[in-house]
Amino acid sequence: DARVTQTPRHKVTEMGQEVTMRCQPILGHNTVFWYRQTMMQGLELLAYFRNRAPLDDSGMPKDRFSAEMPDATLATLKIQPSEPRDSAVYFCASGFQGGAYNEQFFGPGTRLTVL
Amino acid sequence: DAKTTQPNSMESNEEEPVHLPCNHSTISGTDYIHWYRQLPSQGPEYVIHGLTSNVNNRMASLAIAEDRKSSTLILHRATLRDAAVYYCIPPSGNTPLVFGKGTRLSVIA
Repeated sequence: DARVTQTPRHKVTEMGQEVTMRCQPILGHNTVFWYRQTMMQGLELLAYFRNRAPLDDSGMPKDRFSAEMPDATLATLKIQPSEPRDSAVYFCASGFQGGAYNEQFFGPGTRLTVL
Repeated sequence: DAKTTQPNSMESNEEEPVHLPCNHSTISGTDYIHWYRQLPSQGPEYVIHGLTSNVNNRMASLAIAEDRKSSTLILHRATLRDAAVYYCIPPSGNTPLVFGKGTRLSVIA
């Protein structure tokens, strides 16, 4: 049963520390998304890649967030330096986009707490 | 981009049908209507999608209005495991899904 995996599942860190979240998309999918979910803002799109190329990262605070896809099996989201307002659940999703509709498969999320 | 309107919350008794409405009056003619749901402490999951005609799958049915300005997700027999937030999402072409607030469905035993 193919799934999107994310590590770590939980992360507690102190303000100012670097945080790296990892995602393994489903094999064969060509698009990877990063979302952030908080009670106040709901699910927000941070960035997405197609065929490993960044297509849109306008949802990310550029000064502290960075997203990369070093290869087709790994996507990373990095926060440096982290701040308490970054506390949220970060979801990675993957899908194959090439037709008229798109289905995204979400990972279990990384729950980040910045103290 | 098309906008959606859903009730904030709904309640259903277990084993009864549930009709979750969504208005998407600005949808374009080629946009598929997607529904996702998010169970507690999990990521969202795909439920169903459709374009013009009604659709059925093992999870739910999707009834789409003739003018496509609204749709209804139908759970034929709600179970406690169906308690979740249901998102109606009409995307524009190949752009990423944009999630609104959704409808929080509570199922009462």
